[in-house]
Amino acid sequence: GAVVSQHPSWVICKSGTSVKIECRSLDFQATTMFWYRQFPKQSLMLMATSNEGSKATYEQGVEKDKFLINHASLTLSTLTVTSAHPEDSSFYICSAGANVLTFGAGSRLTVL
Amino acid sequence: GDSVTQMEGPVTLSEEAFLTINCTYTATGYPSLFWYVQYPGEGLQLLLKATKADDKGSNKGFEATYRKETTSFHLEKGSVQVSDSAVYFCALTNYGGSQGNLIFGKGTKLSVKP
Repeated sequence: GAVVSQHPSWVICKSGTSVKIECRSLDFQATTMFWYRQFPKQSLMLMATSNEGSKATYEQGVEKDKFLINHASLTLSTLTVTSAHPEDSSFYICSAGANVLTFGAGSRLTVL
Repeated sequence: GDSVTQMEGPVTLSEEAFLTINCTYTATGYPSLFWYVQYPGEGLQLLLKATKADDKGSNKGFEATYRKETTSFHLEKGSVQVSDSAVYFCALTNYGGSQGNLIFGKGTKLSVKP
């Protein structure tokens, strides 16, 4: 079946640094990928829709300059958390697919 | 706005027990409803779905019926197994079925003891 891989699965960084998370569709092409954020004991919240070859579409309240999304190929989308701060610590999840979404296993970011 | 409320966990059951995880929703129009499951260390997987009122979604022994009158989509299984231990998410989309615009509940962790 379809597989979506996220890397890294967990990352710890210092405040003020930038962190890049990759989302890859391993056996299918994805013109659209989705990025979610999940706080502890909270729902997954859609952050943005990543579109191959064009700008991402961000949900209301999500800072596009803070969360940079690049979808340069049909199998890779990246989320870069710029100048990370402790409040950015969270679980970030991507998904891709047409009729049925396939989700990555998630990336846990901890900002010290 | 649209929202999903599901029962808080964790839920702990013995093997072969009956499972119900409640899910209610608030939405305009006619949303599609989903249950996703997340096994430890894995991504969310679609468990079942229903796209219109009175539809019953089923998979792997799990069932849920789209009840518009009570705005509910409760997940049930007659006899749980240890391998069912996971986090279950109820979700809806009100964007023509586009699953990218999913609204999720907070998730319910299920632990099944042998």
